[in-house]
Amino acid sequence: GENVEQHPSTLSVQEGDSAVIKCTYSDSASNYFPWYKQELGKGPQLIIDIRSNVGEKKDQRIAVTLNKTAKHFSLHITETQPEDSAVYFCAAPTSNTGNQFYFGTGTSLTVIP
Amino acid sequence: DVKVTQSSRYLVKRTGEKVFLECVQDMDHENMFWYRQDPGLGLRLIYFSYDVKMKEKGDIPEGYSVSREKKERFSLILESASTNQTSMYLCASSPRTGGILYEQYFGPGTRLTVT
Repeated sequence: GENVEQHPSTLSVQEGDSAVIKCTYSDSASNYFPWYKQELGKGPQLIIDIRSNVGEKKDQRIAVTLNKTAKHFSLHITETQPEDSAVYFCAAPTSNTGNQFYFGTGTSLTVIP
Repeated sequence: DVKVTQSSRYLVKRTGEKVFLECVQDMDHENMFWYRQDPGLGLRLIYFSYDVKMKEKGDIPEGYSVSREKKERFSLILESASTNQTSMYLCASSPRTGGILYEQYFGPGTRLTVT
């Protein structure tokens, strides 16, 4: 089965700086990697995802990179803003069917104004 | 937009009580999931369902059961609540897409405290 590790568990950055969160996975057959943002008092919401046929995907200030050989993927947030403060989760699919995922343990990002 | 709603945002129950957590989705999704979220442990899957009346155990099913009588509704049941079940409970849904993986859509969560 899949094992997902996420680092760091907490991250503080100055407004305008970049933030990087990294995840590793164990199942080389995994082919879809979503990132979720959870704001205080809300459920997680997808912010970006990547499939294994590409190495990078970008959406405005957010990007995800995937290294299939090393089995790790990273979330990059540039020009951080206070509203980026939240908990971020990575996920990787389980080997079962049914759209199931293993989630990382989360990164609490604080952007200091 | 997909909407997943959970019956309560906050719930306080006593040890030994039977607890029902309800989840409803409005996008005709086949798959529905129940997770618990604890600090430092991320999201852990309790049960999931891929169709009406179908259910599969997740990673931590002990002490829980589920019910899916209608496609849009997935209920989590704590048969006899215990203090170690104090947690945030998240419901999610996703479409069945013939093997292509897609995101899950989450509800706002229910924070359950068992005293």
